Amino acid sequence: QVQLVESGGDLVKPGGSLRLSCAASGFTFSAYYMSWIRQAPGKGLEWLSYISSSGSTLYYGDSVKGRFTISRDNAKKSLYLQMNSLRAEDTAVYYCARAPYGSSLFVGYWGQGTLVTVSS
Amino acid sequence: DIQMTQSPSSVSASVGDRVTITCRASQDISSWLAWYQQKPGKAPKLLIYAASTLQSGVPSRFSGSGSGTDFTLTISSLQPEDFATYYCQQADSFPITFGPGTKVDIK
Repeated sequence: QVQLVESGGDLVKPGGSLRLSCAASGFTFSAYYMSWIRQAPGKGLEWLSYISSSGSTLYYGDSVKGRFTISRDNAKKSLYLQMNSLRAEDTAVYYCARAPYGSSLFVGYWGQGTLVTVSS
Repeated sequence: DIQMTQSPSSVSASVGDRVTITCRASQDISSWLAWYQQKPGKAPKLLIYAASTLQSGVPSRFSGSGSGTDFTLTISSLQPEDFATYYCQQADSFPITFGPGTKVDIK
């Protein structure tokens, strides 16, 4: 079955960096567009970034554009999010997400999430 | 950016009730809309996509309708496991945006 397992969440100081990883299994990773979505404590869902199946097309939300970088390694079946210049408002659970089919912008599958806390 | 709004923000209901949640987009998104259910401490779960297509494994008491700017999620007979927060999401254009959520709790 489809599994997405995030890792890399941690406590980091403002201005710091962190790299999140998402290990995928149970499906042909290279065939699917992938996203990162986050949820601040007690708040709603915020889409952050999207990468095409080949990695050639990337999109970012305004709140992370220029600070976060999405990437993927299809050979390793892994998705990444490099987060730089972290701010207190980046504190959230970060979810790795897969489309229900191919290039869809819907989210069919979610990981369990990894918590990022930005605090001094 | 396309703004998504939901109403009500919360609803109290009893088991067996029919519950309707509305989502409105700030511009025409055709049928590029999904509904998700989230329980506390868990990742969201896709219920409906393309406005009215039920995701595999989702009970048939959930249904979605609408197109353009106005959409509805209906739970025909609320079950104990349906108490949760529900989010709509537009998939028409970037940036992808979610509604603020509707919490369904026990009356």
